[in-house]
Amino acid sequence: DAGVTQSPTHLIKTRGQQVTLRCSPKSGHDTVSWYQQALGQGPQFIFQYYEEEERQRGNFPDRFSGHQFPNYSSELNVNALLLGDSALYLCASSPWSGNGYTFGSGTRLTVV
Amino acid sequence: QQQVKQSPQSLIVQKGGISIINCAYENTAFDYFPWYQQFPGKGPALLIAIRPDVSEKKEGRFTISFNKSAKQFSLHIMDSQPGDSATYFCAAGGNNQGGKLIFGQGTELSVKP
Repeated sequence: DAGVTQSPTHLIKTRGQQVTLRCSPKSGHDTVSWYQQALGQGPQFIFQYYEEEERQRGNFPDRFSGHQFPNYSSELNVNALLLGDSALYLCASSPWSGNGYTFGSGTRLTVV
Repeated sequence: QQQVKQSPQSLIVQKGGISIINCAYENTAFDYFPWYQQFPGKGPALLIAIRPDVSEKKEGRFTISFNKSAKQFSLHIMDSQPGDSATYFCAAGGNNQGGKLIFGQGTELSVKP
């Protein structure tokens, strides 16, 4: 049974560019949450998707947007990249009715 | 009110010793307190979790102690092993958080052989 799958694993982008990260949730999970983890810090909540709608959002600017597809997979888009956006981006899936997150291994984004 | 404060930042323990990591929260609406273990290059993995209706939960060598009145909870790793060397994060959330978790800053644990 596959867990949470994220792609790509690593990415290097130039300041000002746009990036799309992808996530396939664990089988049986219908809710996807995205977190940003800066080096040496705990993960910070970006937003959560359920039934193809953004249900909750953390303290991140509108440059961060997302989407959830009918098969529950999700994308995270970041526009106008800044150097400070360099981080590990984690996708976590869960059943809507529960608290049990399963995290993927993340996408390491480097903005130069 | 949304912060979760974790200490210590780093911890060195001898093999066979007890590792203790502490967390404190402010928001009394939190009702779910998990601990995650993260190895380099990997995402966090759920280790153990507790709800505030119990004061202690034990799973194998891992124990969570919970003090609701003090708004504090801790992770105890008994008989620590070199394979336990990782970064540990406490977190807090609940149904009213919509599944959102607030994470602590992390504790880097090193278990020396």
